Amino acid sequence: AQSVTQPDIHITVSEGASLELRCNYSYGATPYLFWYVQSPGQGLQLLLKYFSGDTLVQGIKGFEAEFKRSQSSFNLRKPSVHWSDAAEYFCAVGALFGNEKLTFGTGTRLTIIP
Amino acid sequence: GAVVSQHPSRVICKSGTSVKIECRSLDFQATTMFWYRQFPKQSLMLMATSNEGSKATYEQGVEKDKFLINHASLTLSTLTVTSAHPEDSSFYICSARKLPETDTQYFGPGTRLTVL
Repeated sequence: AQSVTQPDIHITVSEGASLELRCNYSYGATPYLFWYVQSPGQGLQLLLKYFSGDTLVQGIKGFEAEFKRSQSSFNLRKPSVHWSDAAEYFCAVGALFGNEKLTFGTGTRLTIIP
Repeated sequence: GAVVSQHPSRVICKSGTSVKIECRSLDFQATTMFWYRQFPKQSLMLMATSNEGSKATYEQGVEKDKFLINHASLTLSTLTVTSAHPEDSSFYICSARKLPETDTQYFGPGTRLTVL
């Protein structure tokens, strides 16, 4: 069965500092990986996704993620965070075919301090 | 674009009543929609997969008679919580897949259900 682990429940970063959110997955085949962001009381917005090709994926809002098969990881990064980046971040793994379900990690809450 | 809306955004109801939540894909057709439930400070749990014109597929442990799902058109799926109880209070989020990118789910803004 597929699973996603986000080891960090809560991260606090100063505005302007760099950010890395960790995500590890377990999947029997080639995974399709996603990062979503959720603001309080809101739905999820897709930041970026990886299916194949270049392992460094660029997303919206200046985010990027790197797929490392050897480490089963898909960490999210941003060089310089803004106060508006404070939110909950979810990593998810899915399949293009088959049952096509998404499995989400437990999320990482990001707090930005001035 | 790929916009998904939900209505209502917030609903409060009395115990024993039924509540219907709508999920609409506004600018695309969605043959498949998904319903999730999210408890406070927790991740999303898939409840069911809704396919247009056919019965929904429920995840293990989800009562299909309690959570009725209807996907009557390519842009609308509804979730009805029947005989709601306080333990059904939660944040319900739907998502839809936009053809031809069947790999990506676009999420609605969610519906906060409070059962008194």
